Amino acid sequence: GAVVSQHPSWVICKSGTSVKIECRSLDFQATTMFWYRQFPKQSLMLMATSNEGSKATYEQGVEKDKFLINHASLTLSTLTVTSAHPEDSSFYICSANAAGLHGYTFGSGTRLTVV
Amino acid sequence: SQKIEQNSEALNIQEGKTATLTCNYTNYSPAYLQWYRQDPGRGPVFLLLIRENEKEKRKERLKVTFDTTLKQSLFHITASQPADSATYLCALESGAAGGGADGLTFGKGTHLIIQP
Repeated sequence: GAVVSQHPSWVICKSGTSVKIECRSLDFQATTMFWYRQFPKQSLMLMATSNEGSKATYEQGVEKDKFLINHASLTLSTLTVTSAHPEDSSFYICSANAAGLHGYTFGSGTRLTVV
Repeated sequence: SQKIEQNSEALNIQEGKTATLTCNYTNYSPAYLQWYRQDPGRGPVFLLLIRENEKEKRKERLKVTFDTTLKQSLFHITASQPADSATYLCALESGAAGGGADGLTFGKGTHLIIQP
């Protein structure tokens, strides 16, 4: 079945620094990947859609300059949280939809803690 | 605005019984609806997808119904087991196009606890 690999699984960083999270589709090509954020006891919220070879599209209220997305190949999308602050601490999850498969495949998530 | 509602309070079910979870939505006309399972600290795992022209879908001990008139989906786990304990999420595609081109909008999920 389709597998999406995400890492790191957790990261702790100092306030003001940047953190990069990688999302790879291991056995399929994904022209589109999606990034979500989940706060404790809350639902997953779509942040942005990552498009291979073009700019990402961001959901309303998500700062594109703060959450930089790069989708340089058909199997890799990265999310960089720039100038991280404690309020950016959250669970970040990526996903992709393999053509021909029903449903989306999700990565295992990245727990970001900004101190 | 578009909303997906699930009873996010914990649902306690005795092992062996059928668990039934509810998903209601407003201001959507979805072509299909999806259910996912999420364990603590993990990403969601796809379970079932049901199309608007399907009344019911089954997969092993799982059954999903979809009533587009009531704007409701029911998710059933029969012969429940403690290993079924998790949070179950209902989801709809955000855009009208469907087909995997849009991200998902999720309900808050229902935390299911199967007691031995």
